[in-house]
Amino acid sequence: KNEVEQSPQNLTAQEGEFITINCSYSVGISALHWLQQHPGGGIVSLFMLSSGKKKHGRLIATINIQEKHSSLHITASHPRDSAVYICAVKSSGSARQLTFGSGTQLTVLP
Amino acid sequence: NAGVTQTPKFQVLKTGQSMTLQCAQDMNHEYMSWYRQDPGMGLRLIHYSVGAGITDQGEVPNGYNVSRSTTEDFPLRLLSAAPSQTSVYFCASARGLNQPQHFGDGTRLSIL
Repeated sequence: KNEVEQSPQNLTAQEGEFITINCSYSVGISALHWLQQHPGGGIVSLFMLSSGKKKHGRLIATINIQEKHSSLHITASHPRDSAVYICAVKSSGSARQLTFGSGTQLTVLP
Repeated sequence: NAGVTQTPKFQVLKTGQSMTLQCAQDMNHEYMSWYRQDPGMGLRLIHYSVGAGITDQGEVPNGYNVSRSTTEDFPLRLLSAAPSQTSVYFCASARGLNQPQHFGDGTRLSIL
């Protein structure tokens, strides 16, 4: 079983819909990252969080440490939000590396 | 600022050839790392560095070498390319281990 599981693997939505992408992990963590990979391949860090909730524009990330679960929400989705969204965790037992989920492919149709 | 710059963007090699993937950052970040991304799998850490002169192995280090002689540069060397090393390689940097990472645009490498 992977340490970081994302769901769904693929998601298609209509423009304007509210979108939720989920991330579950099996280890104790010190931080969780959400990343966005554009169709051209570039990767951008969206959020880093260790508790609670963060918001940036139409993006909201939440984390529940007790349940080992995080969600990424996109409000009023737009075709330009189409990308792969990647969850990654920094294990509290590891000084050195992030463990990545395999990503969620989001397609927003106009 | 250019951020994290990777070269080349594309490369095709024959089995057994060696090459170096270049990575440079102009943000004075201490932490740099190399990942590979394969279809259906998450990014996997190859090697990382927490500062000039200091490197360490990640999850999948075999077949790769790194060095960190300056804060800015972190090249990745393939010693004897194998088809299993066909992948997309990303370099990333961060101010520290617990800071957001900045990624380069990636190098798409094919080994024939």
